[in-house]
Amino acid sequence: NAGVTQTPKFQVLKTGQSMTLQCAQDMNHNSMYWYRQDPGMGLRLIYYSASEGTTDKGEVPNGYNVSRLNKREFSLRLESAAPSQTSVYFCASSHDRPTEAFFGQGTRLTVV
Amino acid sequence: AQRVTQPEKLLSVFKGAPVELKCNYSYSGSPELFWYVQYSRQRLQLLLRHISRESIKGFTADLNKGETSFHLKKPFAQEEDSAMYYCALVSGYSTLTFGKGTMLLVSP
Repeated sequence: NAGVTQTPKFQVLKTGQSMTLQCAQDMNHNSMYWYRQDPGMGLRLIYYSASEGTTDKGEVPNGYNVSRLNKREFSLRLESAAPSQTSVYFCASSHDRPTEAFFGQGTRLTVV
Repeated sequence: AQRVTQPEKLLSVFKGAPVELKCNYSYSGSPELFWYVQYSRQRLQLLLRHISRESIKGFTADLNKGETSFHLKKPFAQEEDSAMYYCALVSGYSTLTFGKGTMLLVSP
């Protein structure tokens, strides 16, 4: 029972490089989320998708794009990575409203 | 706009001591509040929610609308309680807002 799976677990990028973080859930959830976790800042919502085919900005969307590829998958893309995007990224999903969100194991991204 | 405040970055206690992790919120509507926990090298997981008024792993939390608080309490801390704890609020349809988190360290 995998739950929410994120790939990769670790990544180092050079400034200006691009990459896509992948997230998949097998719980048939409608809603999916991307958060970033920074020391002293807690978790901040980047983007979310309330249903397949819809996406909305969260608190810190600048520098990111997302795609809800299908009901299972929600990817996060950094088009031109910056050192300020060094963080741990978490994907999460919930049935509808996030009254119980299930999280992936996180992706630790370093931009040098 | 909604806000969740956890005033303590770090709370250090000895095993067997009572624990209270503070959480205050700001929200104009009727809030739904939660505590999430992240143990070392594990993913974030739901600990408890105010609406169910349950006790999980000995932890309880009561919503106090007058004081806009949702403090997490445990009468006797255990070493395995050491973790990062996040208070969170659901507002609207799809937004889960987290506090900055409190690291709980329980020493033997």
